Amino acid sequence: DGGITQSPKYLFRKEGQNVTLSCEQNLNHDAMYWYRQDPGQGLRLIYYSQIVNDFQKGDIAEGYSVSREKKESFPLTVTSAQKNPTAFYLCASTEFGNQPQHFGDGTRLSIL
Amino acid sequence: SQQGEEDPQALSIQEGENATMNCSYKTSINNLQWYRQNSGRGLVHLILIRSNEREKHSGRLRVTLDTSKKSSSLLITASRAADTASYFCATQIPSGYALNFGKGTSLLVTP
Repeated sequence: DGGITQSPKYLFRKEGQNVTLSCEQNLNHDAMYWYRQDPGQGLRLIYYSQIVNDFQKGDIAEGYSVSREKKESFPLTVTSAQKNPTAFYLCASTEFGNQPQHFGDGTRLSIL
Repeated sequence: SQQGEEDPQALSIQEGENATMNCSYKTSINNLQWYRQNSGRGLVHLILIRSNEREKHSGRLRVTLDTSKKSSSLLITASRAADTASYFCATQIPSGYALNFGKGTSLLVTP
């Protein structure tokens, strides 16, 4: 089955710790995205990547970092510089521009 | 930036009734998309309507787009309990790649 897999489903971060959220797709899509969703809010774009080895900051990139070494993978690191990381993180992909995005089932990050 | 704004924020109806959600946006768009999100899950794409289209249908869903008013509506006919979810509109600007999402409408359909 083609789709997007996010792991883990739940993640806990200690103060001062960096954590990495995984996002893998087998849809052969070129573009991948990371969004943050807070309760009762819409999605806000953190980073996106249109091709391998290239990515751009979204609206709320501070305190986050990404890499795109493989077409299938777009991991997101939440660094200790992100002071309010508790949120639901969603990864998405699309074949190319002007197409619907396919979403994973999200990772819920909480602070210990 | 969040360009889309859904209205109402919450909607409660009974099974069999129609549900209408509205979305307004601020700048010119390439297309507008509607997504559904069940609690604790990812988003599922429902319909994409391009800026040169005025209406699209998919099953029980009907989407309209009025670019002069910068607004769109999503109509779900003959609602079912399984339609209970949050619904988001998202706009894509002509020079952009990513989507701008609104805050969503929470729909509750009771039996």
